[in-house]
Amino acid sequence: EPEVTQTPSHQVTQMGQEVILRCVPISNHLYFYWYRQILGQKVEFLVSFYNNEISEKSEIFDDQFSVERPDGSNFTLKIRSTKLEDSAMYFCASNGGGAGEQFFGPGTRLTVL
Amino acid sequence: AQTVTQSQPEMSVQEAETVTLSCTYDTSESDYYLFWYKQPPSRQMILVIRQEAYKQQNATENRFSVNFQKAAKSFSLKISDSQLGDAAMYFCASGEDSGGSNYKLTFGKGTLLTVNP
Repeated sequence: EPEVTQTPSHQVTQMGQEVILRCVPISNHLYFYWYRQILGQKVEFLVSFYNNEISEKSEIFDDQFSVERPDGSNFTLKIRSTKLEDSAMYFCASNGGGAGEQFFGPGTRLTVL
Repeated sequence: AQTVTQSQPEMSVQEAETVTLSCTYDTSESDYYLFWYKQPPSRQMILVIRQEAYKQQNATENRFSVNFQKAAKSFSLKISDSQLGDAAMYFCASGEDSGGSNYKLTFGKGTLLTVNP
C-alpha cells in the first residue's frame, strides 16, 4: 500500500541553524501539506501546496519557513533560522485532491537546543 | 475560520464496552468534511472515519461510527466492542475548501482514550 514517507525521523539542531525536513508524498497525489504538533498540543496547519506553489499558509508559517518541491517526488520544509519554539513534530500529508483523506507521514521530531 | 472543540481531554472504557467521544465544530462554510484521526504512541496519524457534511447518513467503519448532527454542529465518535489496540489519542478535524479543491484540516485538542482490560 502506498504511503507517505518522511526523513529524518528525528532531527536535533542548535538554535539559529537551518533545517530541511523531507517528505515523499504518495506518487499520484497532487496536494501536499505540512502540519506541526508541539508536544502535548493539537496538530496545527502550516501550509498547503499545489501545482508548484503555496495554496494557503497559516500565520505560523512566517518568513523563516519555506517549502519546495525540488523534483517530481520530494516535498521539503525548510526552517531558515530555528528557534526553541520550533521544537515539535512535523507531519507531511498528501492527497489526490478534494476532500479525500489526507495521508499523513510518520512525522519528523525536531528538537531545537 | 473553523474551530473544533473536544471537551473531553481523557476518557476510559472497559475492553468490549462502548465509548463515545465528543466533538463540536464551527464553520461558516456549507461545503466541509469531518474526520476522526487516531494517534497511537508512535504519533502516526491514522484516519478512523470521514463524514461529508452534505450527507445525512452517518458514516460507519466496522466498530467505529459517528453521530453527525449538522444543525447542532456536533460530530461524535462511537467505538463499539473496544479493544486494547484502540487506546490512543483521538483527534476530531474539519476540512474546508481553501480554494481549488485544497482542503486544510483544523484539529481539536484531542481526547486520550484508555482501554482497561
